[in-house]
Amino acid sequence: SQQGEEDPQALSIQEGENATMNCSYKTSINNLQWYRQNSGRGLVHLILIRSNEREKHSGRLRVTLDTSKKSSSLLITASRAADTASYFCATGFQGAQKLVFGQGTRLTINP
Amino acid sequence: GAGVSQSPSNKVTEKGKDVELRCDPISGHTALYWYRQSLGQGLEFLIYFQGNSAPDKSGLPSDRFSAERTGGSVSTLTIQRTQQEDSAVYLCASSPVRAYLGNTIYFGEGSWLTVV
Repeated sequence: SQQGEEDPQALSIQEGENATMNCSYKTSINNLQWYRQNSGRGLVHLILIRSNEREKHSGRLRVTLDTSKKSSSLLITASRAADTASYFCATGFQGAQKLVFGQGTRLTINP
Repeated sequence: GAGVSQSPSNKVTEKGKDVELRCDPISGHTALYWYRQSLGQGLEFLIYFQGNSAPDKSGLPSDRFSAERTGGSVSTLTIQRTQQEDSAVYLCASSPVRAYLGNTIYFGEGSWLTVV
């Protein structure tokens, strides 16, 4: 079964608005990463947050991690049409040498 | 090369035929992953190679699937006696060390497999 689950599965907003996506996971993690995928091709790494961190920023991206709730959120501020893509969280967790991906959130930014 | 290279980009095969998908990771990356993604779905882990260690094959869906990594570099994913449900994008990724410890993994553009 998948370790991470994103919510919502799909999100459609107007350009300029903020987009928030959530990820929940089941077991203790070492780190959580967010990736972006355009048109079903390869994924591109966006940001990594370690289990001892609570918040991280990168440009218009803000990631939070709540290990007590086993959840993370990705906030994209001032969205642009070019942000339209699928966003996946991936967890690296103890006892396994692999990243486990969630089902993704399909984000659509309307001009 | 500069990035992870996969071939073929697209493959259409008849049900029952065998297919081989190739992945050339970023030079120097010791870890290599194969994932599968069905249309509109998430990524399904298939197999993981790390250096000379025994691969983690826990995600391979059946014994029709196998993968090898020669010389710690190029990897080949083989699907024998393909079925229609094997149709998906097969994504390869590599990383310099164990990603679960906190390193980015770098993806190729994927191989689209269609079984007809």
